[in-house]
Amino acid sequence: GNSVTQMEGPVTLSEEAFLTINCTYTATGYPSLFWYVQYPGEGLQLLLKATKADDKGSNKGFEATYRKETTSFHLEKGSVQVSDSAVYFCALSDDKIIFGKGTRLHILP
Amino acid sequence: DARVTQTPRHKVTEMGQEVTMRCQPILGHNTVFWYRQTMMQGLELLAYFRNRAPLDDSGMPKDRFSAEMPDATLATLKIQPSEPRDSAVYFCASGFPLPGRPYEQYFGPGTRLTVT
Repeated sequence: GNSVTQMEGPVTLSEEAFLTINCTYTATGYPSLFWYVQYPGEGLQLLLKATKADDKGSNKGFEATYRKETTSFHLEKGSVQVSDSAVYFCALSDDKIIFGKGTRLHILP
Repeated sequence: DARVTQTPRHKVTEMGQEVTMRCQPILGHNTVFWYRQTMMQGLELLAYFRNRAPLDDSGMPKDRFSAEMPDATLATLKIQPSEPRDSAVYFCASGFPLPGRPYEQYFGPGTRLTVT
């Protein structure tokens, strides 16, 4: 069945560092791909999405490109801020949405 | 600003008591999900509904958990009897799948349940 695998955390970076959180997927067909973010004490929020191969989703300085050949959707940001500290979930759409296990990100000032 | 709402936000109860959590999906969304989140297990899908009919409740312990949608604006998750291992944050989410469109879910703020 369809599944999502993302790198385990926690990931700890200094402010202004470059961020990559890896995500790969297994799917039949051509699902849409998502990154969700969960800030402390809150529910998940959609961060960005991509609907087809080579699409790039972007929001708040974060980017991810739908790579069909490598079945990946890695999350990147060029310069992280303390306020980016959160848990990040990679996901794909099936009839429901299948989430990865989440990656906790800590940004140090 | 359309949002999924959940009540209560926090619930502390004793083992053996009944717990009812409520969710109001975004108006017009026809698919509703219940998730449970714990540190150990992460985010688990318990059940989901489309057009008020249950599509999948395989993630839910059948002996004590039940989920319903009495109408299109209300989803409920009940635990009877509750146990300490049910302590978690329970999230409701809603969405509206359309052919050829990305199928997003919108999450509520969660109900933090503590069973002592």
